[in-house]
Formats: sequence, C-alpha cells, structure tokens
Amino acid sequence: GDSVTQMEGPVTLSEEAFLTINCTYTATGYPSLFWYVQYPGEGLQLLLKATKADDKGSNKGFEATYRKETTSFHLEKGSVQVSDSAVYFCALSENSGGSNYKLTFGKGTLLTVNP
Amino acid sequence: DGGITQSPKYLFRKEGQNVTLSCEQNLNHDAMYWYRQDPGQGLRLIYYSQIVNDFQKGDIAEGYSVSREKKESFPLTVTSAQKNPTAFYLCATSGQNYGYTFGSGTRLTVV
Repeated sequence: GDSVTQMEGPVTLSEEAFLTINCTYTATGYPSLFWYVQYPGEGLQLLLKATKADDKGSNKGFEATYRKETTSFHLEKGSVQVSDSAVYFCALSENSGGSNYKLTFGKGTLLTVNP
Repeated sequence: DGGITQSPKYLFRKEGQNVTLSCEQNLNHDAMYWYRQDPGQGLRLIYYSQIVNDFQKGDIAEGYSVSREKKESFPLTVTSAQKNPTAFYLCATSGQNYGYTFGSGTRLTVV
C-alpha cells in the first residue's frame, strides 16, 4: 500500500536558519503530493502541493519539488521565523482528480524556531 | 465564510460511555473524512464518506461508527468498544482543488 516516511523530529533551529524536512513516499501509481502544517491546538492547513513529477509547490517562502526518480518531496525554507514553529506533515493521494480521494500522511515533524 | 465546524472542542468520556463528535461543513464538498491523531503517530483514517448515505471504513474503524444523512454533516460516534479513545479527532472535507480542508479538532479524554 501507499506510505509516506518523513524525517523524525523534533527539529530545533535558530531564526533565519535554513530548513529541510525530508519526505519520501511509496505509491503504486502517480500520486499527488502535499505538505500540511499544524499549529498548536488547531487542525491542519494545506501549505503547498504538487500534482506531477518535477512540479514545484511553493507558499510563504516554503518550497518542495516532486522528484519521481527519488520518490521524494522534501520541504525547504531559506530563512525560518519563530512563527514557523509547528508540526509539518507530508502526505500523498493516489487519485488523479475529482473531489473524492484519501490522503496518506507521514507521522509529522515538529519544528521549533528559537529567536 | 465557508468552513468546517467541529464541536465540542474538548470532550470527556467515562468508561463504557458512547460519545458523538459533531462535524458540519458549508463548503458544499461531497467527501468527508474522520482522522484520529496520536502523538508520534501522525493521522490515521477512521471513516470516510464520498456521498450522502454512503460511507466506508478506514484503517482503524473498530470501535467507531458514523452516519451521513445530510451532505453538510458527518458525525462520529466513539463507542464503548473503542478501548483507547483518548486522542485528537480531526474532520476534513475534500473538493476539486486537490486539497483537504480540516476542522479545528475535538480533543477526547477518557476519565
């Protein structure tokens, strides 16, 4: 079945440091890939997505590129801020379109950014 | 504003008691989902529904039940058969933009 493996946390960085959170996946087809962010006590919010190989998703300074050859979707940000402290989830969906599909999530990576 | 409303935000259950978590959406999305979140385990799918009056079991459906009588509503009942119900429960919907929309969650604690 489908699975997502992401970097074990927690990750602790100083403000303005470079961030990488690794994510690799196993899927039988050609999945869409996502990064979600969860702030304390809240639900998840979509951070960025990529729907086909070599696509780059980006939002709020975060980027991730869909690498089919390495089955990876690593999250990066050049300069983190204290407000980026949250749990980050990598996820995939096998469905190619429409509104009904299931997401498979990684276990999440807790990021703490210190001033 | 369109969105998902989960209630209550905090819920306490006694041993042997059934409790129902509410999830209401006004996004006009067909599909709705319930996930359970435990520390260090990520999100696990309990049940999902792609259309009114139809739903399917997810990966950890034992001890839970759902109904989908209206497009807007997808309540989750945690039954006494669920032996370890303490967790954070998240409801989500999906639309045409390849993204899920999540509610703010219900934290259930067994007392």
